[in-house]
Amino acid sequence: SQELEQSPQSLIVQEGKNLTINCTSSKTLYGLYWYKQKYGEGLIFLMMLQKGGEEKSHEKITAKLDEKKQQSSLHITASQPSHAGIYLCGASPGGSQGNLIFGKGTKLSVKP
Amino acid sequence: DTGVSQNPRHKITKRGQNVTFRCDPISEHNRLYWYRQTLGQGPEFLTYFQNEAQLEKSRLLSDRFSAERPKGSFSTLEIQRTEQGDSAMYLCASSWTIYGYTFGSGTRLTVV
Repeated sequence: SQELEQSPQSLIVQEGKNLTINCTSSKTLYGLYWYKQKYGEGLIFLMMLQKGGEEKSHEKITAKLDEKKQQSSLHITASQPSHAGIYLCGASPGGSQGNLIFGKGTKLSVKP
Repeated sequence: DTGVSQNPRHKITKRGQNVTFRCDPISEHNRLYWYRQTLGQGPEFLTYFQNEAQLEKSRLLSDRFSAERPKGSFSTLEIQRTEQGDSAMYLCASSWTIYGYTFGSGTRLTVV
């Protein structure tokens, strides 16, 4: 079965600093999703990547999928307290009906 | 369109009691998913509906769990004879295709 491993598990950064979160899959990714979750709340969709080498940006967040489609990174530029939360990567296992598997998440804290 | 709505937001129940959660998806979405999330973990897939048909169930969905989606609109997830291990956040998501999920805010269940 496919597994997603996220690193680091947690991250504390000073406001204004850049940071990167990684998501590595045990199998080829056919659709890679990034979500953000505030504690005790639902998941907020950030971006979806499908093609090898694809890169998408929204405001100060950039996500990339490597050429081999087994690793993705999420980069935040000039972090702000509003970026704090849990970042989750999710993927559709091959042959699934659209259900996703998720990594365990990366908890981001931003110090003002 | 008010997004995916889940009720209640929080539920505290005694061990052995039955509980039912409701999910109202985005009206034009024909796919509906239930996930369970425990502390420090990513969401885990439970079951999936396309319209009113339940097409996939995870091994996690024991005999005490049942989900319905009458008329292909809202869905309910019932847990019978709750156990402490059922304490978790139950998340509902809907989509029009196999991509582009929208998650609800979840129902947090605490079994005491």
